[in-house]
Amino acid sequence: DAKTTQPNSMESNEEEPVHLPCNHSTISGTDYIHWYRQLPSQGPEYVIHGLTSNVNNRMASLAIAEDRKSSTLILHRATLRDAAVYYCIGENRDDKIIFGKGTRLHILP
Amino acid sequence: GAGVSQSPSNKVTEKGKDVELRCDPISGHTALYWYRQSLGQGLEFLIYFQGNSAPDKSGLPSDRFSAERTGGSVSTLTIQRTQQEDSAVYLCASSLGGLSNSPLHFGNGTRLTVT
Repeated sequence: DAKTTQPNSMESNEEEPVHLPCNHSTISGTDYIHWYRQLPSQGPEYVIHGLTSNVNNRMASLAIAEDRKSSTLILHRATLRDAAVYYCIGENRDDKIIFGKGTRLHILP
Repeated sequence: GAGVSQSPSNKVTEKGKDVELRCDPISGHTALYWYRQSLGQGLEFLIYFQGNSAPDKSGLPSDRFSAERTGGSVSTLTIQRTQQEDSAVYLCASSLGGLSNSPLHFGNGTRLTVT
């Protein structure tokens, strides 16, 4: 299994950048790193994914360590709507996609 | 385009009754996943389909739970003789195939309450 560890919760001020860390020290060389978030009372939504290179999309950026044992999801300018639980996932070889407990992000106005 | 659709959105049932939960994945998505989320908890993996096949059913909590997928499309999760501890939100997700480079797309879930 590609196990991941994340902080239980984080706080950030509105309109400031947020860096959400994830450790995935057992990830295999071919496993992608995925990030999802779950807003209150909704199903999870895809945020971003990558393999080795840093990735950017309209929602966020993903910085992947050179050894791939950790990654950081970057929200460049947090808004109140970004308050959610953020999940980091490394793919499992047997295709079970296991979600950990994630990081609950609180945004302070 | 249409996303993953789940029905019903809410289901209240009496203990001991059977329930069927339905998932319509995004058209063309070959992979389909079921998860369960109890109140305030994380997502618990239940089962995964590639096409109509479920290679591993070990995530299903008990033999009261079963799932099938027909025509590589719609999937049904059935819970027999429901118990109160089955109360949760049941989430379905689909992807183009294999997680390696295919994001999961989730439905909004079915909230099951067993009284």
